[in-house]
Amino acid sequence: LAKTTQPISMDSYEGQEVNITCSHNNIATNDYITWYQQFPSQGPRFIIQGYKTKVTNEVASLFIPADRKSSTLSLPRVSLSDTAVYYCLVGDYGGATNKLIFGTGTLLAVQP
Amino acid sequence: GAVVSQHPSRVICKSGTSVKIECRSLDFQATTMFWYRQFPKQSLMLMATSNEGSKATYEQGVEKDKFLINHASLTLSTLTVTSAHPEDSSFYICSAMGRAAGANVLTFGAGSRLTVL
Repeated sequence: LAKTTQPISMDSYEGQEVNITCSHNNIATNDYITWYQQFPSQGPRFIIQGYKTKVTNEVASLFIPADRKSSTLSLPRVSLSDTAVYYCLVGDYGGATNKLIFGTGTLLAVQP
Repeated sequence: GAVVSQHPSRVICKSGTSVKIECRSLDFQATTMFWYRQFPKQSLMLMATSNEGSKATYEQGVEKDKFLINHASLTLSTLTVTSAHPEDSSFYICSAMGRAAGANVLTFGAGSRLTVL
């Protein structure tokens, strides 16, 4: 199982770029890296997924180095509404027996 | 696409009663479903993994006779909390894994807040 390690919390201000790094040293060959956002009393919401190098969508970018032992979620120009807990999840989503374990997540607090 | 519906969103019950929570994948077939519980200010804790048509695999420390999981079809899984007690009060979240639009997806339900009086 690929265990993930993230900072417990981060602070930022509106308009800044925020980078959250996740370590996953024992990631397996078939594992993908996915980041989720969770607001209080809601289920996690998909942000972005990648396997290697860089992935970008309309809300975030994901940077994955060649060894894939870590990944960095980049949120450009955050706003107050981006205050949430961010989780990175590593797993083989095509594998029927894979268990998907959540780490502690990172509580991002955006201030005005 | 890849929507998971979880119902009910909130439920209050008396101690000793049983409560069923449903998790449905609306637009894709879920080969695997996961059930999590989450206490305030904590991460999601995996309770069990279920594959369609087979018995669920429970995590260590989770009582399978108390938390009954049924995954009878590719679009529906249910979690029944039997003989609920106040310590079972928590936020329960399901997720479904399958293929949608040619890609493997993992989608979460909105969660169910259980309060046991």
